[in-house]
Amino acid sequence: QQQVKQSPQSLIVQKGGISIINCAYENTAFDYFPWYQQFPGKGPALLIAIRPDVSEKKEGRFTISFNKSAKQFSLHIMDSQPGDSATYFCAASIGSGNTGKLIFGQGTTLQVKP
Amino acid sequence: DAMVIQNPRYQVTQFGKPVTLSCSQTLNHNVMYWYQQKSSQAPKLLFHYYDKDFNNEADTPDNFQSRRPNTSFCFLDIRSPGLGDAAMYLCATESKGQAVAKNIQYFGAGTRLSVL
Repeated sequence: QQQVKQSPQSLIVQKGGISIINCAYENTAFDYFPWYQQFPGKGPALLIAIRPDVSEKKEGRFTISFNKSAKQFSLHIMDSQPGDSATYFCAASIGSGNTGKLIFGQGTTLQVKP
Repeated sequence: DAMVIQNPRYQVTQFGKPVTLSCSQTLNHNVMYWYQQKSSQAPKLLFHYYDKDFNNEADTPDNFQSRRPNTSFCFLDIRSPGLGDAAMYLCATESKGQAVAKNIQYFGAGTRLSVL
């Protein structure tokens, strides 16, 4: 019940295309859903996050779509650029209190071809 | 400016030889995490400190220990590294229960550990 399942494992997109990464969870107590971006040799960095009281959040070219009833959320990268090539991790947590640990998905390696 | 600093960036040790990895932060966050990340895998939480309280994950081997002498520093000690401990070790910080808490974990660049 603590798992977050992420797909696809890898993704190749042409420059200017849309990249879509999907995640699913089981634990309805999760109340915070961040996406982290990790470049080779670097630590993950928060990209965008959403709470379940909204269905969509957009920041620049990055959008999270959230479907509470289906227990799914996805990251959309519009106008994908070669600089977006990285590994993306979705995550979930129960945000409040001492036990708000991040549960990471398995990761998606995105390659954006010029 | 780097806010979570891990040293060294690369560490080579011998099988069974104790090694210590360090993490420092300038964010004054009350929570510090240690993760192990193997190639093409998600970060795996080893343990965390909430202020001075140590919280170990149930499946973290006894071979892994941690110390947090003050708010700014946290150390990961691997008492007898095995070949399977070769990985990237990530430190992260978070502000919990404080006025600026936002549920954001800030990661360092990691220490890549090789075991020969």
